[in-house]
Amino acid sequence: DTGVSQDPRHKITKRGQNVTFRCDPISEHNRLYWYRQTLGQGPEFLTYFQNEAQLEKSRLLSDRFSAERPKGSFSTLEIQRTEQGDSAMYLCASSLAGPPGNTQYFGPGTRLTVL
Amino acid sequence: DQQVKQNSPSLSVQEGRISILNCDYTNSMFDYFLWYKKYPAEGPTFLISISSIKDKNEDGRFTVFLNKSAKHLSLHIVPSQPGDSAVYFCAASASKGNKLVFGAGTILRVKS
Repeated sequence: DTGVSQDPRHKITKRGQNVTFRCDPISEHNRLYWYRQTLGQGPEFLTYFQNEAQLEKSRLLSDRFSAERPKGSFSTLEIQRTEQGDSAMYLCASSLAGPPGNTQYFGPGTRLTVL
Repeated sequence: DQQVKQNSPSLSVQEGRISILNCDYTNSMFDYFLWYKKYPAEGPTFLISISSIKDKNEDGRFTVFLNKSAKHLSLHIVPSQPGDSAVYFCAASASKGNKLVFGAGTILRVKS
């Protein structure tokens, strides 16, 4: 199976700790996205990369959040000094650039619980 | 502001009947629309999409209809099956942007 993979699937941490998540996109996809989903809501956009360039960041992405895609393949999302409000499902998606639109394919997500 | 709205939190349908899920949007720049299905503890799975140059797209049991003047789209599932029970999300994007904007989802329950 060559779908989007995410690691870890679950993370429990204490408030104030740093956490890092990894996403491996579909291999031929040049775009990679991060979303966050909380209970009862749809996914909310955080940031996206085209190849290794980070092209857009949401205002939801505070300065405690940083994302990288160093070689244009996998990506990491780091949250520093976690807060209870960071508890959510973090979803990664990938797509090919180009018209008519971009169909994004999602990974299984990383469930973060901040105690 | 909620640019994409799914006003029905849940829908219950008998197996074999039609399921109709609705979605409204406010941003006239949106020109590509998608439906995703999500099971608990999994990521969203892409179902079907439609570009604003079309008003209908079919894929097997799934058909999406787009009414641009009303800024409304709907997903029809015929016939509905118990395995279709899941949360369905409507999403939209603008060609000049790349992020997807999602609705809050509709829980579909198909009763056998």
